[in-house]
Amino acid sequence: AQSVTQLDSQVPVFEEAPVELRCNYSSSVSVYLFWYVQYPNQGLQLLLKYLSGSTLVKSINGFEAEFNKSQTSFHLRKPSVHISDTAEYFCAVSAIRGYQKVTFGIGTKLQVIP
Amino acid sequence: DGGITQSPKYLFRKEGQNVTLSCEQNLNHDAMYWYRQDPGQGLRLIYYSQIVNDFQKGDIAEGYSVSREKKESFPLTVTSAQKNPTAFYLCASSVDRGYEAFFGQGTRLTVV
Repeated sequence: AQSVTQLDSQVPVFEEAPVELRCNYSSSVSVYLFWYVQYPNQGLQLLLKYLSGSTLVKSINGFEAEFNKSQTSFHLRKPSVHISDTAEYFCAVSAIRGYQKVTFGIGTKLQVIP
Repeated sequence: DGGITQSPKYLFRKEGQNVTLSCEQNLNHDAMYWYRQDPGQGLRLIYYSQIVNDFQKGDIAEGYSVSREKKESFPLTVTSAQKNPTAFYLCASSVDRGYEAFFGQGTRLTVV
């Protein structure tokens, strides 16, 4: 079985400040890790993913996440947020082998304050 | 452009009625999924299909049914047996199970 924990349901942050959205996972096997973003009344869009190789992965809009196997974490960070980053962010995990079901966290709402 | 199309965007249903949500993809993906999203609960898997004419129950399949007669289409029927159907429904597809998923824009179903 696998699970994803997003401890923060809401994160308010001032514009141009740094932010970290936390994600921890549990799995008995090796995993792929994903961050998705959802704007109001829309579907989810893939933000970034870790499949293998470098543990630090980056998106085109300045977000980055680091896979930490020992701490089973995949926290999302951005050094300076913009108003347009206001959205809900979902962490997800899937096993590389076996059942391969994708499990999503409950989401973290990022509110950027002008 | 390739993508996933869900229709309608908003849907109202009277209690006791069945309703079908449409999901079409032109990404040539084998796997398709239906999720239900409720505030504070994240995404919960209703059904998934890895290949035409085959589908499996997810975590909350009771009160729902699906079909997969074509690779491109994966409609979801919300039956009258679903006790609390008001929610945001998301369809997704991927190359295979476990890989990154591409989502539609969602259908918001309201029971009136």
